[in-house]
Amino acid sequence: NAGVTQTPKFRVLKTGQSMTLLCAQDMNHEYMYWYRQDPGMGLRLIHYSVGEGTTAKGEVPDGYNVSRLKKQNFLLGLESAAPSQTSVYFCASSTWTSGNQETQYFGPGTRLLVL
Amino acid sequence: GENVEQHPSTLSVQEGDSAVIKCTYSDSASNYFPWYKQELGKRPQLIIDIRSNVGEKKDQRIAVTLNKTAKHFSLHITETQPEDSAVYFCAATSDTGRRALTFGSGTRLQVQP
Repeated sequence: NAGVTQTPKFRVLKTGQSMTLLCAQDMNHEYMYWYRQDPGMGLRLIHYSVGEGTTAKGEVPDGYNVSRLKKQNFLLGLESAAPSQTSVYFCASSTWTSGNQETQYFGPGTRLLVL
Repeated sequence: GENVEQHPSTLSVQEGDSAVIKCTYSDSASNYFPWYKQELGKRPQLIIDIRSNVGEKKDQRIAVTLNKTAKHFSLHITETQPEDSAVYFCAATSDTGRRALTFGSGTRLQVQP
C-alpha cells in the first residue's frame, strides 16, 4: 500500500516550457487535491476533484490545469511555466464519510524550479 | 471562503517546556480541524484532529482545544522534545462548499536541548 505518490520528485523548467505532474493514490479515495507550498504562506489549494471526471478551482488556479480521467490519478499541468510557479507542489487525497472528512494524506511533493 | 490565521509564526522553547500554537477561522460552518506536522523536506503528516462536536482531544503529549463560539482552536504540546522541532500547520474545512482544507501559514517550532 503505497498511499499517495508523485512524479517527478524534482524538475527544472525554462520560462514558457510545459510539464505535467502526476499524482497517484491506491486508497480508493474520491477526493484529490493539488496544493502549492511557498515559504511563509502555508499550503494553498490550486485545484481539486471530488471524483473521477470532475475538477474544480481552488484558491490559486491561474496558470494551471488539471484532469482526473481515472479515480486513482490526478494530473496537474503547467502550459507555459513562469518563475512565479517555482514552488513545492503537494498532492493529497481523502474520503468523506457521512458528511465528515477522514484523514487527508499527502504525497511526498514535487520541487519545481522555473528559470 | 474560509480564512485561517495562525500564530505565532515561530516559537522557540526549551526541552521539557510546553508549546502552544493558536489558530482562528472565519467560516462558522467549519466542523473539522486537523493539525499537521511537517519536518524539513518531508510531506505534511496528520498528528491530531478535532471535530466540532467536542471541545478537547488528547493523544499522549499532544492536545487540541476548540472554542466554536470564538472560532479558534489551539495545539498544545507538553514535555517538548528535540524531535518535536518542525513546522506545524492548522487547517479547517466544512462538509459544505468546497470540502477542501484551508491551511494556516504555519508555525516553526524549535525545541532547544
